[in-house]
Amino acid sequence: AQKITQTQPGMFVQEKEAVTLDCTYDTSDPSYGLFWYKQPSSGEMIFLIYQGSYDQQNATEGRYSLNFQKARKSANLVISASQLGDSAMYFCAMREGPSRQLTFGSGTQLTVLP
Amino acid sequence: GAVVSQHPSWVICKSGTSVKIECRSLDFQATTMFWYRQFPKQSLMLMATSNEGSKATYEQGVEKDKFLINHASLTLSTLTVTSAHPEDSSFYICSARDRGTGVGETQYFGPGTRLLVL
Repeated sequence: AQKITQTQPGMFVQEKEAVTLDCTYDTSDPSYGLFWYKQPSSGEMIFLIYQGSYDQQNATEGRYSLNFQKARKSANLVISASQLGDSAMYFCAMREGPSRQLTFGSGTQLTVLP
Repeated sequence: GAVVSQHPSWVICKSGTSVKIECRSLDFQATTMFWYRQFPKQSLMLMATSNEGSKATYEQGVEKDKFLINHASLTLSTLTVTSAHPEDSSFYICSARDRGTGVGETQYFGPGTRLLVL
């Protein structure tokens, strides 16, 4: 079974609007972390936001927020006020347990339209 | 934030040659480094995990004799693609974690190396 599922291979959003990128996960470990990374065409992986399984509140970092619904096992990324520079591939990732590696979803290609 | 560098950023080589890619953590000590491979329009696939001073742990299906990983110090890991073939052409990305072991420990990524084998 897929550990991390991103069902939107591509998304379009108008500049200045908000967009939600979906991510669902599967784990039986009570302690896990969820991450979102941005990968522009240059290839570098840019860390955006983190949510821990025990965190009571949704994580926020500037224009990025994570809609964490633990019972549904979803960790959707919300980008507010989209900018042209937000056009990139976005990956959701999970770490199960403290010493494990990150497992990535298949990614969502976001295109911001002027 | 922490910086991870990779060298070279791109390399073109002939089939049968070996290529070495370096990954350095510039402002922190990385006890664990990871090597990923990414094909166009696809996700990152973990190849191996290396801990300083010990042998790398390879993921299933990754040939350890073909992809040699050395983590000689807390700031340097190398990936050598031996006897490269065109199917090894890919984008290779390294990643490093600081000494912390918490589940929320951020993993920092290098800028990647594009390998093209002719």
